[in-house]
Amino acid sequence: DVLMTQTPVSLPVSLGGQVSISCRSSQSLVHSDGNTYLHWYLQKPGQSPQLLIYRVSNRFSGVPDRFSGSGSGTDFTLKISRVEPEDLGVYYCLQSTHFPYTFGAGTKLELK
Amino acid sequence: QVQLKESGPGLVQPSETLSLTCTVSGFSLTSYSVSWVRQPSGKGPEWMGRMWYDGDTAYNSALKSRLSISRDTSKNQVFLKMNSLQTDDTGTYYCTRDEGGDYFDYWGQGVMVTVSS
Repeated sequence: DVLMTQTPVSLPVSLGGQVSISCRSSQSLVHSDGNTYLHWYLQKPGQSPQLLIYRVSNRFSGVPDRFSGSGSGTDFTLKISRVEPEDLGVYYCLQSTHFPYTFGAGTKLELK
Repeated sequence: QVQLKESGPGLVQPSETLSLTCTVSGFSLTSYSVSWVRQPSGKGPEWMGRMWYDGDTAYNSALKSRLSISRDTSKNQVFLKMNSLQTDDTGTYYCTRDEGGDYFDYWGQGVMVTVSS
């Protein structure tokens, strides 16, 4: 199975600040069709995960442009600028290039 | 709007079978796939398997011997059955709309399942 390694595990932030979360995969996530199936989710306390970014850098409907994704191959980054209170929670990356699909262990974004 | 809702027992005895139902609305099961994802408390999610829009299935190899996913399109329902439950199967079980091998865009609220005697 593809191992997804997220860093850091915990990320203290001040409101209005900017943060980056890293997600590294144990194999390249470039599919034979040329797409890279790496996605980002936010899980707020007591809620289901919600899709933020799909296929590395595409914001899902309604996701503010403070969220941006980048990367290629095995190395990916989610950046959040101008952090707001509703951004707090646990962020997960997901790869759906290889079976079985696998998630990272999560990065908890919390207030300093 | 797109909605998914899981239902099923909250408590299952060890070695017994878990049966969950995902009832969907706002989209057709013959146009979109549905995946099941579970999450132990305080841990990352785990993809379990998928019911493709065409009726085919795909399973996580780690669970394949215990897991079965089926559907009733007339009732807009997808079913999960997993046998031989153990305590480490405890967690929240979600169904998600699955963009056919791409991303999971809509999720149900989840159902908490505890495996305990």
